[in-house]
Amino acid sequence: DTAVSQTPKYLVTQMGNDKSIKCEQNLGHDTMYWYKQDSKKFLKIMFSYNNKELIINETVPNRFSPKSPDKAHLNLHINSLELGDSAVYFCASSQEIGAATYEQYFGPGTRLTVT
Amino acid sequence: DAKTTQPPSMDCAEGRAANLPCNHSTISGNEYVYWYRQIHSQGPQYIIHGLKNNETNEMASLIITEDRKSSTLILPHATLRDTAVYYCIVRVRSARQLTFGSGTQLTVLP
Repeated sequence: DTAVSQTPKYLVTQMGNDKSIKCEQNLGHDTMYWYKQDSKKFLKIMFSYNNKELIINETVPNRFSPKSPDKAHLNLHINSLELGDSAVYFCASSQEIGAATYEQYFGPGTRLTVT
Repeated sequence: DAKTTQPPSMDCAEGRAANLPCNHSTISGNEYVYWYRQIHSQGPQYIIHGLKNNETNEMASLIITEDRKSSTLILPHATLRDTAVYYCIVRVRSARQLTFGSGTQLTVLP
């Protein structure tokens, strides 16, 4: 059973389009994340949701909008795609017990190519 | 703003121990040392973490110096499948995000 899954794995689209990436975790975790890995391979946090509530929102264009329909899903919607949005996007999840956040489990990534 | 320093690359012979160093000289008393790795084209994978004591699990061992300013991740018998970028991250337990640096590219050679 895949713990954290993302769809699609590859996404090729044109500038100006709107697209969504879906993420699901079956680990029963409370917190989910989106990370972006650019062409230089740096991984950076974009968003974090805890129990469907946004708790981290790094400096990301407002064309990016995360949506969490329930605590097992965190989708990423991107409007008006730009060339610079081309990257690999990773979803992750973790459990929180009290004030402690435990290790994160990552999905396989979605490679987005904007042409 | 990574608070760790790692060598950019290392090689290791298959079957030998791989020792990956990490400097974290500004680590605070409540910050843990975490190690993740990213095999090519896959998502990062948690390996191990520790606070002060040395830790061991089925994947690796973590040795933290007494002053906690540096640590070493040990893969006891490296295999070709261990070729990956290894990230050393320091964080407090309550922090939600992981701040990745540039990591160490470990290449296991046959």
